[in-house]
Amino acid sequence: AQTVTQSQPEMSVQEAETVTLSCTYDTSESDYYLFWYKQPPSRQMILVIRQEAYKQQNATENRFSVNFQKAAKSFSLKISDSQLGDAAMYFCAPLEVNSGGSNYKLTFGKGTLLTVNP
Amino acid sequence: DSGVTQTPKHLITATGQRVTLRCSPRSGDLSVYWYQQSLDQGLQFLIQYYNGEERAKGNILERFSAQQFPDLHSELNLSSLELGDSALYFCASSVHAGAGNTIYFGEGSWLTVV
Repeated sequence: AQTVTQSQPEMSVQEAETVTLSCTYDTSESDYYLFWYKQPPSRQMILVIRQEAYKQQNATENRFSVNFQKAAKSFSLKISDSQLGDAAMYFCAPLEVNSGGSNYKLTFGKGTLLTVNP
Repeated sequence: DSGVTQTPKHLITATGQRVTLRCSPRSGDLSVYWYQQSLDQGLQFLIQYYNGEERAKGNILERFSAQQFPDLHSELNLSSLELGDSALYFCASSVHAGAGNTIYFGEGSWLTVV
C-alpha cells in the first residue's frame, strides 16, 4: 500500500514571493509518476505539474517547479512569484504502475492549504 | 475546462435512496476513474474502468457500483445511501490505462444525503 505525507497542513506566502510545499511518499513499485494538483475554492482538481520517476531532471511548468529526490522519496513543489490566484489546496499524488504496466492508482496526500497574502 | 463532464453538479437526497452519477470522459480517453472526497476521509480512489472493463478497485463500498458503457461514458450508482456518503464525487479520465498518462478531473458531483 502507498502512503503520501504532506507535513504542512497550511502555508502562507506573500504575493510575489516563493514558497515550497513538501511531500514524501512510500511505494514498493519501481515504475511510478508524481503529480501535484491544486484545488481552489471552486473544488475543481487542476493539474499543476507532473514528474516521471525515471527522469532525473526536475519538471518545470512556468512558475511551478519540483524538487524530486527519488532515493529519499521526496517530491516538493516550488511556486515562484506567487500570485493571488495560486491560493488553493495543493495535493501531492503519486501514480503507481503495477508490474504488468496496466493497472495503476493515483493516491492523494491530505493536502496543504496555501494562502497568498497581498 | 478539463473536458471531463459530470452530471449532476449538485444532488440532495434522503437516506436509503439510490442515485446515479454520470461521467463523460475527455474525447479519446478510454480510462475512467471515480474518486470520493469527504471531509474526514480526504480523496479516496473508488474504481477504475478501461474501455468498458473494470481495471482497479479501491475503497468502494458494496452499496456502490459502477460501469463504463460502449460509448465510454461511466456511471457510479450509490444505493442505500447513508449520511456519511455525503461527499464530492469526482470522475477523471486518461487516454488509456498505460503508465504515465495524465489524469484529468471533472468538476465533481456534490452529493448531500439528508
